[in-house]
Amino acid sequence: QLVLTQPPSVSGAPGQRVTISCTGSSSNIGAGFDVHWYQQLPGTAPKLLIYGNSNRPSGVPDRFSGSKSGTSASLAISGLQAEDEADYYCQSFDDSLRCYVFGTGTKVTVL
Amino acid sequence: QVQLVESGGGVVQPGESLRLSCAASGFIFSTHAMHWVRQAPGKGLEWVAIISRDGSISYYPDSVKGRFSISRDNSKDTLYLQMSSLRPEDTAVYFCAREKTTKRADAIDIWGQGTMVTVSS
Repeated sequence: QLVLTQPPSVSGAPGQRVTISCTGSSSNIGAGFDVHWYQQLPGTAPKLLIYGNSNRPSGVPDRFSGSKSGTSASLAISGLQAEDEADYYCQSFDDSLRCYVFGTGTKVTVL
Repeated sequence: QVQLVESGGGVVQPGESLRLSCAASGFIFSTHAMHWVRQAPGKGLEWVAIISRDGSISYYPDSVKGRFSISRDNSKDTLYLQMSSLRPEDTAVYFCAREKTTKRADAIDIWGQGTMVTVSS
């Protein structure tokens, strides 16, 4: 079930800042469940990028940051680099559906 | 190093069954809940199942409930996904994945490389 909505694509020039929104509802993000973000490079498995709304795992550059407010969350990439070109997914838990839910995914293009 | 390696994918006909396996290494398998997540060709990620650390509790989305069954053997550090009554829409890469901590609905911090399942007549 895709109940978290993301923009299909965002783009930016090298060095710019881009943000990706993740819009949920009162049964998932708005219910207080954490939001996590994943980066998926072409042909590879997803990689955890942000956990618990705003925490970076060891090894993830501080160019990546996450935030959450109300029924939405955001991922920001500052100082955009060519290697950041990938698909990005948010993820949370939905209490009505009783299941984990992923966002629709956003493709980031570096111009 | 921490690793998850899936196996068992292949091509099956609609209505048939298939069992996927996931061998874990580099961490204490029995201390983590485990997931299966799938990705249809050119599509996004879809959560498929979760199993508790001791294997006593599992959950599924409606799309696979009653057809898929997740299980684990902590003595063998292995996770399984038994899939039955397969449909063409089940065609996807299936990823085995580890839940980060015991916190409710925590992040998935380790992913396998995935195994492809194709359901076609």
